[in-house]
Amino acid sequence: GQQLNQSPQSMFIQEGEDVSMNCTSSSIFNTWLWYKQDPGEGPVLLIALYKAGELTSNGRLTAQFGITRKDSFLNISASIPSDVGIYFCAVQNYGGSQGNLIFGKGTKLSVKP
Amino acid sequence: DGGITQSPKYLFRKEGQNVTLSCEQNLNHDAMYWYRQDPGQGLRLIYYSQIVNDFQKGDIAEGYSVSREKKESFPLTVTSAQKNPTAFYLCASSHRLPANTGELFFGEGSRLTVL
Repeated sequence: GQQLNQSPQSMFIQEGEDVSMNCTSSSIFNTWLWYKQDPGEGPVLLIALYKAGELTSNGRLTAQFGITRKDSFLNISASIPSDVGIYFCAVQNYGGSQGNLIFGKGTKLSVKP
Repeated sequence: DGGITQSPKYLFRKEGQNVTLSCEQNLNHDAMYWYRQDPGQGLRLIYYSQIVNDFQKGDIAEGYSVSREKKESFPLTVTSAQKNPTAFYLCASSHRLPANTGELFFGEGSRLTVL
């Protein structure tokens, strides 16, 4: 099936630093999403992108939908300890064995106070 | 409050036993999903259901079974045929396509450990 390549796999940063992660695909997708999973919890949607080239912010988070529709990035500015968790990119699929969403393998973020 | 509830949160099982994980939602969503999460593997789809009395296999359905007799409920049975069942299991729900904008609502997960 389709795969998303998410990088980096993990990040260890100091509180206050900015963070950048990205996600690429070999196929075109028309909806890109970013989820965050707190330790021991289920993922929660952070940002949804529906238009190529779109740049969307949610507080300290900014995400962009690549113009080629094959990639997206997520930036976190001035990180704080509660940013710790796993960040997943996802694209909207339309059924098949991968269901309605295809997820990347995640970027695990650790923040040192 | 509306939400999605999984139980139990922690479960221990002996090899050779079947175990059923519960998932209930009161969000009036048509679609429900089961994912398995292993460290570094992301979220892998086990089964999903777009409507009552219908479900489809995901990428890793072998050794699992589901039912969808009610809109609110989508239980997952981990059978003895599943060779490596120790994992974190996540249930989710959403609107059906085409109304689905990509947002899945997840439960808090069930951690299954096989002894």
